[in-house]
Amino acid sequence: GQNIDQPTEMTATEGAIVQINCTYQTSGFNGLFWYQQHAGEAPTFLSYNVLDGLEEKGRFSSFLSRSKGYSYLLLKELQMKDSASYLCRSYNTDKLIFGTGTRLQVFP
Amino acid sequence: SAVISQKPSRDICQRGTSLTIQCQVDSQVTMMFWYRQQPGQSLTLIATANQGSEATYESGFVIDKFPISRPNLTFSTLTVSNMSPEDSSIYLCSVDQTGRPTDTQYFGPGTRLTVL
Repeated sequence: GQNIDQPTEMTATEGAIVQINCTYQTSGFNGLFWYQQHAGEAPTFLSYNVLDGLEEKGRFSSFLSRSKGYSYLLLKELQMKDSASYLCRSYNTDKLIFGTGTRLQVFP
Repeated sequence: SAVISQKPSRDICQRGTSLTIQCQVDSQVTMMFWYRQQPGQSLTLIATANQGSEATYESGFVIDKFPISRPNLTFSTLTVSNMSPEDSSIYLCSVDQTGRPTDTQYFGPGTRLTVL
């Protein structure tokens, strides 16, 4: 089957940096998405990585290593509003598979 | 971008009844997806609905339980049939405007279903 693994929960302090890791099955892999989902709301798109390397979008960056089957989402200068679930999703041979999500809690 | 609305936003239903959830998009889209998100869990794809063809269901989901309609390029419905408490979940509609899964997908606000 296709498995995606990410930590269940993380905590961090306002202003800090946090890295949320995601590992996925490499067979048939085409790309990897990250989504943010606040409690009670629908997911919103953050990033999509196809090639190895780091893609930066303001305070959020996403990294991909295709050979290692590994990605991470990096959040800088954390704000209270960043408290949310972060979903990793892989695109494998026409299948889109969500990870279980990482619930991030930011404390003042 | 696409703006997606869902009706109802929430409902409480009795065991054994059925509920039809509507998804409306403000532009024509090729592919529409229905997801389920159970409490504290990630999203699980139920089926993919393309206009003019039968919906494609993922493993563990069947048409008799989750019939889907896709009458045109801006609208779809998902019916949760013969409900049980295990069907309590958030149901989300999602669209892909160009038919390529690699494109950004947009999600509707979700329908929160509670089955008593």
